[in-house]
Amino acid sequence: SQTIHQWPATLVQPVGSPLSLECTVEGTSNPNLYWYRQAAGRGLQLLFYSVGIGQISSEVPQNLSASRPQDRQFILSSKKLLLSDSGFYLCAWSAYIQTGTGPYEQYFGPGTRLTVT
Amino acid sequence: AQKVTQAQTEISVVEKEDVTLDCVYETRDTTYYLFWYKQPPSGELVFLIRRNSFDEQNEISGRYSWNFQKSTSSFNFTITASQVVDSAVYFCALSEAGGSNYKLTFGKGTLLTVNP
Repeated sequence: SQTIHQWPATLVQPVGSPLSLECTVEGTSNPNLYWYRQAAGRGLQLLFYSVGIGQISSEVPQNLSASRPQDRQFILSSKKLLLSDSGFYLCAWSAYIQTGTGPYEQYFGPGTRLTVT
Repeated sequence: AQKVTQAQTEISVVEKEDVTLDCVYETRDTTYYLFWYKQPPSGELVFLIRRNSFDEQNEISGRYSWNFQKSTSSFNFTITASQVVDSAVYFCALSEAGGSNYKLTFGKGTLLTVNP
């Protein structure tokens, strides 16, 4: 069966410090991968998605970046954190989508709660 | 652009009551997919159901049921005989069947509290 891991679970970082959040998926190949942020107001915002190694699409311009160095690894980074980067970060995967098959459900990791002080 | 509206911000019920969570969506596509997710206090989103726009049959899974009505652009979720463990934030989401990424657009969620 497939599992998705995220770490760390919680993180407290000062403003201006770097960030690296990691997500890995097991039990599947060539997944689509996603990073979401959930702010205090509860809404989920898609930050990045990836359909393959080295292929990253950004949804919202910001000081965050994402990378996919391996098929089942997705990393969210920042060189300098802002207070507004605080939130709950969720990684998700879905099965590779072939043309005409429609979007598959996304499965989410346990999340990382980031507090920028 | 696609949009999902969950007008009920919070709902509070007593255990064993039935409760319906509303979801209204907007899309210009004729082919699209709708989803419901549950987010318990632990934070992880749990997938509940996926439905495509061509399948208007209602679905029942145990105490959960979903009512999809294209005429009113709604995909409502009913929990029958609610239990304390049903307490969570519930999200409705929409994805248009275009491109290769199939992004999900989420509603803002409904916080359901089931009291004993």
